[in-house]
Amino acid sequence: GAGVSQTPSNKVTEKGKYVELRCDPISGHTALYWYRQSLGQGPEFLIYFQGTGAADDSGLPNDRFFAVRPEGSVSTLKIQRTERGDSAVYLCASSQTGNEQFFGPGTRLTVL
Amino acid sequence: DQQVKQNSPSLSVQEGRISILNCDYTNSMFDYFLWYKKYPAEGPTFLISISSIKDKNEDGRFTVFLNKSAKHLSLHIVPSQPGDSAVYFCAAIGNQAGTALIFGKGTTLSVSS
Repeated sequence: GAGVSQTPSNKVTEKGKYVELRCDPISGHTALYWYRQSLGQGPEFLIYFQGTGAADDSGLPNDRFFAVRPEGSVSTLKIQRTERGDSAVYLCASSQTGNEQFFGPGTRLTVL
Repeated sequence: DQQVKQNSPSLSVQEGRISILNCDYTNSMFDYFLWYKKYPAEGPTFLISISSIKDKNEDGRFTVFLNKSAKHLSLHIVPSQPGDSAVYFCAAIGNQAGTALIFGKGTTLSVSS
């Protein structure tokens, strides 16, 4: 019974570079969420997919952030022109019911 | 402004005693509440939840109480065990399936043996 997986577990990049973070949800879960957790804070919502479409992207901080889920399963979060303030743990969660969400281990992004 | 507040950043309890973690919320539209537990370098793990139509939900050593009039919920762990030491997040969700979880900042629980 595989849970939510995320790759890479750690990513170090330089300011201005482009990064992609991948999420593999629990098989059969139609809902997928991206959150971002900064030090000392709880996870903050970024974007929600129902199937292939982004049902709610109101949490994306600006247009440097974009996410896709082309086949309704794996999702990729893409960050362009990274800034030091983007450093955080990026968490992915999936859900069948829309209430209980099951999280992956996260990707720790460090922008130097 | 924070819609979900966990005002105690940390809590220390002795093994075998009760741990009580508190959470307040401001949005009366929230109708489902969850507690997550997080160990370092891992993602949050779902622990227990409660619907707004209930005032109590119990699962083994974990009980969540909801006081809607006070917009307050609490998680009770009894008896506490050293393995319970972790960060506990309270989260709330609106009345539409699939809406985002709104998290508090978390409370770090330390259970000493």
